[in-house]
Order: sequence, then structure tokens, then C-alpha cells
Amino acid sequence: AQKVTQAQTEISVVEKEDVTLDCVYETRDTTYYLFWYKQPPSGELVFLIRRNSFDEQNEISGRYSWNFQKSTSSFNFTITASQVVDSAVYFCALSRGLPGAQKLVFGQGTRLTINP
Amino acid sequence: GAGVSQSPSNKVTEKGKDVELRCDPISGHTALYWYRQRLGQGLEFLIYFQGNSAPDKSGLPSDRFSAERTGESVSTLTIQRTQQEDSAVYLCASSSYPVGSRFFGPGTRLTVL
Repeated sequence: AQKVTQAQTEISVVEKEDVTLDCVYETRDTTYYLFWYKQPPSGELVFLIRRNSFDEQNEISGRYSWNFQKSTSSFNFTITASQVVDSAVYFCALSRGLPGAQKLVFGQGTRLTINP
Repeated sequence: GAGVSQSPSNKVTEKGKDVELRCDPISGHTALYWYRQRLGQGLEFLIYFQGNSAPDKSGLPSDRFSAERTGESVSTLTIQRTQQEDSAVYLCASSSYPVGSRFFGPGTRLTVL
């Protein structure tokens, strides 16, 4: 069975601080995919990143960076120099890597509040 | 538009009535997914389609829930004899084959009175 755990239910920081959102996953598959989504107050889920299990290279996109470590089954997300617009619920998700459509298993989400 | 669209955006119904929720995926996306999100909760998988077939329906909560997809395009999620616990946002997503990034629609907020 697959499982995603986001232990931090809520985080609140002051603008310009760096913040890391934790994600730990469980799977027996050797091939799988990991995702991060952002859900702002408007409610729509915004895709941020997809990473396959064979690519452990960390990725940076502007103020966002992701640290994938298979040894600890973690796929953490860091926002550098946070801004108020980063306030949202962030979800980590996992899917199997088998051919064909596979469902996403989501964590419970982390509510991030950036205070001015 | 180029994204996933869902209709209606909001639906208020009385307990016991049937409702139909519609999803229009991104053109060319062969995979389509339905999720449910209760207030303040995470996303709960319901069903996914590969083409017009549904290889995994394991998330449908009861036989009151059904879904179909036609023409490898539009999908309809039907809830019969709605109950108050069905109140939630129903989200649809689509992706390209075989394992593409899933793009979500804006959701349908269902309120059962």
C-alpha cells in the first residue's frame, strides 16, 4: 500500500523567512512518482512539480526547491524568502510508476501562512 | 480554455435527490481522475479512467456513486439519493498517457441540505 505523510498540519512564518514543508512516503514499488501541489484560498489545485523515483537530483525553480532523498523516503519542499502570496495549503502526493493511469495518493496537506 | 473544466461550479441540493457533476478534461488527455475533498480535509481518491475504462473504482464510497466517461473525453460523476455527508468539493483531474502530470479543474462544490 502507498501512503504519504505530511506531519506538519500548519506552519506560520513571517514574510521573507525560509520555510520547509516535509513529506514522507511509503511504497513497495521501485518505480514511482512524487508530486507537490499548491491549493490557494481560491481552492484550485496548482501543479508544482513531478519527480520520478530514478531522479534524485534536487530541483530549484525560482524561490522553490525540492529535496528528494530515497534513503529516507522523503521529498521535502522549501520556499526561500517567503511571500504573503505563498500562503496556501500544500499537498504532497505519490503515484505508482506502472504503465497506464495511476491514482495519486495525497498527504493530508500543510497549511502555510505567511504573515506580513 | 486549455485547462480542465468542471460544471456546475456550485450545486445545492436536497437530501435524497440525485446530482450529476461534469468534467471536461484537457484535450488529448487519456487519463481522468475524480477526487473528493471535504471541508478542511485532504483529497480522497474516487475513481480514475484510462480512456473510457475505469481500472480502479476502489474509492467510490458506496453504490450511490457512479461515473462514466465517453469518447475518451467528458466524464460524469453521478450521486444518487444524496446524503449530507456527500457535501464536499468534487475535483476532476486529467493527465496524458502514460504517466503525465495531473492537472486539476476548479472543482464542484456540492452542498446537500
